[in-house]
Amino acid sequence: DAGITQSPRHKVTETGTPVTLRCHQTENHRYMYWYRQDPGHGLRLIHYSYGVKDTDKGEVSDGYSVSRSKTEDFLLTLESATSSQTSVYFCAGSGGNNEQFFGPGTRLTVL
Amino acid sequence: QKEVEQNSGPLSVPEGAIASLNCTYSDRGSQSFFWYRQYSGKSPELIMSIYSNGDKEDGRFTAQLNKASQYVSLLIRDSQPSDSATYLCAVNARDSNYQLIWGAGTKLIIKP
Repeated sequence: DAGITQSPRHKVTETGTPVTLRCHQTENHRYMYWYRQDPGHGLRLIHYSYGVKDTDKGEVSDGYSVSRSKTEDFLLTLESATSSQTSVYFCAGSGGNNEQFFGPGTRLTVL
Repeated sequence: QKEVEQNSGPLSVPEGAIASLNCTYSDRGSQSFFWYRQYSGKSPELIMSIYSNGDKEDGRFTAQLNKASQYVSLLIRDSQPSDSATYLCAVNARDSNYQLIWGAGTKLIIKP
């Protein structure tokens, strides 16, 4: 969906460094999600938001935090990156009918 | 545990034939069912939503839902090489605050 963008699209970082991934949407989606996708695991939910400043944990939230200070932006932070967090990260948004629309993804490599 | 199961494939189908993709789910309370297409290196793209028992058609795609048997399927008629992708099935969980439960996906290969 052209209405959801992610930045950066690619990032290489070193173990122990903080990393922030940004998701920006212009669709006024109330709900926003951060997923990671790894071979053999499919899409796994990290955190989601059901409104400004309202967030909750998903199934793989350890080592990640999120913030949503306004409707348009949903940030994912890795406080201290580890090699196990090397993955492709997708942001998605939904208007509440459970249809989710995805951003283009961020490929993160932690060395 | 709530689950969505898909055959991982790959499913190989000749060009022009019908591709049939299947998905089963465990939560009887689920009300919303989705098919996404994901090309290699790209993000998932919503192609079909279905909420009621029966068939829903959109162009070459037909989604079929059977809540009693807890399965949802996707038929692709007149398959084209451009349909080659991984197809993800997703189902809402009644008590999960707008989360979706995702299958691992079926890789479809359309052979010219």
